Amino acid sequence: NAGVMQNPRHLVRRRGQEARLRCSPMKGHSHVYWYRQLPEEGLKFMVYLQKENIIDESGMPKERFSAEFPKEGPSILRIQQVVRGDSAAYFCASSPLGGVQPQHFGDGTRLSIL
Amino acid sequence: DQQVKQNSPSLSVQEGRISILNCDYTNSMFDYFLWYKKYPAEGPTFLISISSIKDKNEDGRFTVFLNKSAKHLSLHIVPSQPGDSAVYFCAASLDGGSQGNLIFGKGTKLSVKP
Repeated sequence: NAGVMQNPRHLVRRRGQEARLRCSPMKGHSHVYWYRQLPEEGLKFMVYLQKENIIDESGMPKERFSAEFPKEGPSILRIQQVVRGDSAAYFCASSPLGGVQPQHFGDGTRLSIL
Repeated sequence: DQQVKQNSPSLSVQEGRISILNCDYTNSMFDYFLWYKKYPAEGPTFLISISSIKDKNEDGRFTVFLNKSAKHLSLHIVPSQPGDSAVYFCAASLDGGSQGNLIFGKGTKLSVKP
């Protein structure tokens, strides 16, 4: 999984706080995808971004969740006013071209809500 | 309604024997399939993929078979090694992957015993 860097690896938040998860894609990759994995489940697609554009956010909850991939810097997944149900592992993947090339994943951020 | 199903949560195999992991899907529009391997506390690692225009793809000890009429694919690992012990995820996509969104199964935990 070297190449796609996610931080922090672990994040603890209290209910109502904000969580910011960061993802730096592999060098040369300009497409980023975010997935969420609940315990005993597979990964669920959330959002697909290119630099400065959201391509597909069909898997993203309509409220409290947002994502960006600015021209400079990492992609950010932001969760406002976190609730217990947001506790999960959040994985970022990147690819050099649109679609599956395949997608290369980071090691994830494990979010725990107290 | 799961579109990608891995009906065996776990599989135990003796070292040196063949491991066969199965995956079924419901959406006949899926045309690109991938297998990922995941160790605890790490992100998924790409193993092998297959396009719907093929029925077999081989890479070293790993072979993926696709049966479109049955909407079924399988991953064969031979010979199995203790280092293969991990959770294996099957994933599918549409339009050759150009939509970016991967749909994952819930995974099968493979244990290879020495």
